Order: sequence, then C-alpha cells, then structure tokens
Amino acid sequence: EPEVTQTPSHQVTQMGQEVILRCVPISNHLYFYWYRQILGQKVEFLVSFYNNEISEKSEIFDDQFSVERPDGSNFTLKIRSTKLEDSAMYFCASSKARVHTGELFFGEGSRLTVL
Amino acid sequence: TQLLEQSPQFLSIQEGENLTVYCNSSSVFSSLQWYRQEPGEGPVLLVTVVTGGEVKKLKRLTFQFGDARKDSSLHITAAQPGDTGLYLCAGAPILQTGANNLFFGTGTRLTVIP
Repeated sequence: EPEVTQTPSHQVTQMGQEVILRCVPISNHLYFYWYRQILGQKVEFLVSFYNNEISEKSEIFDDQFSVERPDGSNFTLKIRSTKLEDSAMYFCASSKARVHTGELFFGEGSRLTVL
Repeated sequence: TQLLEQSPQFLSIQEGENLTVYCNSSSVFSSLQWYRQEPGEGPVLLVTVVTGGEVKKLKRLTFQFGDARKDSSLHITAAQPGDTGLYLCAGAPILQTGANNLFFGTGTRLTVIP
C-alpha cells in the first residue's frame, strides 16, 4: 500500500540552526501539506502546496519557514533559524483531491527537538 | 482559525461498554473527518462525512454529522482494548472560501480496559 514517508524520524538541533525535514508523498497525489503537533496539543496546519506553489499557509508559517518540491518527488520543509518553540512532531500529508472530499494520508512524522 | 472542541478530552472505560465522543464548533464545515492517531504515528483517516445529518457506520463505530454541519459525534459500541487511541475530528472549510486545509479538534484520548 502506498504511503507517505518522512525523514528523519527524529532530529535534535541547537537553537538558531537550520533544519530541513523531508517527505516523499504518494506518487499520484497532487496536494501536499505540512502539519505540526506540539507535545500534548492538537494538530496544527502549517502550509498546503499545489501546482508547485504554496496555496495556503497559517499564521505559524512565518518567514522562518519555507517549503520546496525540488525534484518532483520530495517535498521539504525548511526552518531557517530554529527556536525552542519549534520543538514538535512535524507531519507531512498528501492527497489526490482537496481536503473537502480527499483523504489525507499522513506520514509517521519527524520529531524535532530544539535545545 | 475555526475551532473544533472535542469532549470528553479523556475517557477510560471497561471493555464491552459503549461510548460517544463529541466534536463541536460554531463554524460550518463542508465536511468533517475523523482520524485515529497511535503514539508516535501520524493520524489515520477513519471516515469522512459530507452531508448534514449523514450517518456512517464502520463496524462498531458510528459517525454522525450534525444537520447544520457544525458538529459531529463518534459512537463506539462494545468497546474493545484495540479501540484504545487518540481520536481526532477535523473540519474542512466551506468551498466558497477557497481554503484547502483541515482544522483539527482538540482530541479525545480513549483507553479501553480489558
């Protein structure tokens, strides 16, 4: 069964360092997303991506964040200068259709710990 | 931001009991999705309800979308230890907004004791 894969599963970094989280969405999906979940809190939307551009982003997704689909298969989330409060589980998701009727498939997440 | 409140936040029941989890909002959604999340894993979709008043059944799980498309419920009959997990509702904004993101609820952590 096709699945969304994420790497790394866990990354520890120092505050102020750049971090890149990688995702390989399901191959025939068209919409891609990043969500995050701070420990014990709800899943929060960060950004959606379609047709090689950001289609929507939340208030969390400030100038420190960027996304890229560099080669048609990978979908990356970059945090330019990490802060302590960026510590969270980051989930990549993909779907064939928009969220209203399309099933989102989530990866297993990348746990980011900022020290 | 559209808020989805789930209740109860935590639920611990004996095997064989029935339970209902609620997902409420003041906002109207075009669809409401229920996910289950295991520790250290991503959410996995259980069901999507689209029409106001719609009821969907998935084995012992029954999902209902409110008539006004602002709320939903998940009912589990004869709960089993394998039902233990975090249940999340997520709403999709109405199509006219052009938005394409899900708003997740606060979650209900269910523990079924053998």
